[in-house]
Formats: sequence, C-alpha cells, structure tokens
Amino acid sequence: DQQVKQNSPSLSVQEGRISILNCDYTNSMFDYFLWYKKYPAEGPTFLISISSIKDKNEDGRFTVFLNKSAKHLSLHIVPSQPGDSAVYFCAASVKGNTPLVFGKGTRLSVIA
Amino acid sequence: DTGVSQNPRHKITKRGQNVTFRCDPISEHNRLYWYRQTLGQGPEFLTYFQNEAQLEKSRLLSDRFSAERPKGSFSTLEIQRTEQGDSAMYLCASSSQLWTVGSYTFGSGTRLTVV
Repeated sequence: DQQVKQNSPSLSVQEGRISILNCDYTNSMFDYFLWYKKYPAEGPTFLISISSIKDKNEDGRFTVFLNKSAKHLSLHIVPSQPGDSAVYFCAASVKGNTPLVFGKGTRLSVIA
Repeated sequence: DTGVSQNPRHKITKRGQNVTFRCDPISEHNRLYWYRQTLGQGPEFLTYFQNEAQLEKSRLLSDRFSAERPKGSFSTLEIQRTEQGDSAMYLCASSSQLWTVGSYTFGSGTRLTVV
C-alpha cells in the first residue's frame, strides 16, 4: 500500500525551462509535505516543504503547490539548471511528528 | 562536525553472516531514524528513536534486524543471518524532537551487498 506516489520515474528538461515534478498521496491524515533531492552516493537533502494550511510555498527557483482536495502536490523548478539533475523524492508526515513516508522518486535530467 | 555520519560506507558480506552499521547523528538532535532504500524505490522507514527509547518499528524490520541507541547518542543497526534480499542502502537521519518541517538530516548511507 503506497501512500505517497510519484508516477513519473524520470523527466528530461532543457536548461532554462520549467521542471514540474508531481506527487500524489492517499493518506488524508498527512499534513506536512516535503521534497528531498538526492545525488548518487549521497543521502537525500531537504529542498522545500509545505504545510497543509498553505497551498503554495516558494523558495528561490523552487515552488511547491499543494492541492488538498486532489491529494496532489507538485514541485516547480524555474529556470532549470544542469546542477538540478538528481532524483527528487516527495515525502509526507502526519502533524510533522510521524516518520516521513517517501515516494519512489523521479529522476530529473536537465540538458544543457 | 555538523553532519550525520554513517560507517562503514560500503559493506560486502556473505549470506548468513551478521553485519552491524553505525550512525552518529547531529549532536543536538534527539531523534534518530533508520531507513532502507533499494534500487528504484524511495527510502522505506525501518525504526526510530527518541533519545535512547525505540518508539516505532516498521513491519519491514524482521526479527533478524535489531537497532539500539544505548546512550541516546550514536545508534547501531545489526542484521543477523544476512540474506540477498537485505542488499540495500541503509540510511540514517536525525532531527530534533520539536522538528519543524524539513529538519531531517540524512547521512550518506551504508551500502550493503550480500553475496
């Protein structure tokens, strides 16, 4: 039973364009959502987060959108840069107090 | 040292052997988590500690797995009688108890290969 789903295993985008990574969840108790970025041979690093009381959170080139009714969130990266090439994981928690539940990840390739 | 440290980085073992991994969290963090990641999957929760108390264990954590955090600082994860299916990246993370969203810090992981 996968509670956090990332249905696109990979995404390829040209440098300078927008990257949109999607995530769906099934557990309506989730109220904190995070995106992590992972390079090979490293642990995941925190990128951006959003609480369920918001529908958008922005940090520089990264924006996360949350649609609670659809149980869907997305990460927008604008403009995309070659250094953004990595695996991106969506994760969720209940009240920020339960262990994070991760999706399977989406591999983003930004082509120069 | 401001990061989470995991040792060893790589471990190759024969099936049936026991292995032990170590995680040193960020010193001011009192929560410590173990996750496992296999190829094509996201990190899967195994167990977590708050100080020395083990608060939750996943069903993924079979009887062959045991984790400890004896003094509320570093933690060890032991796998007994390893099987080929145990081959994975084992990730440790730490956070403060009153963590705000995003304050999990992960180590670089220990990659286990069972041959």
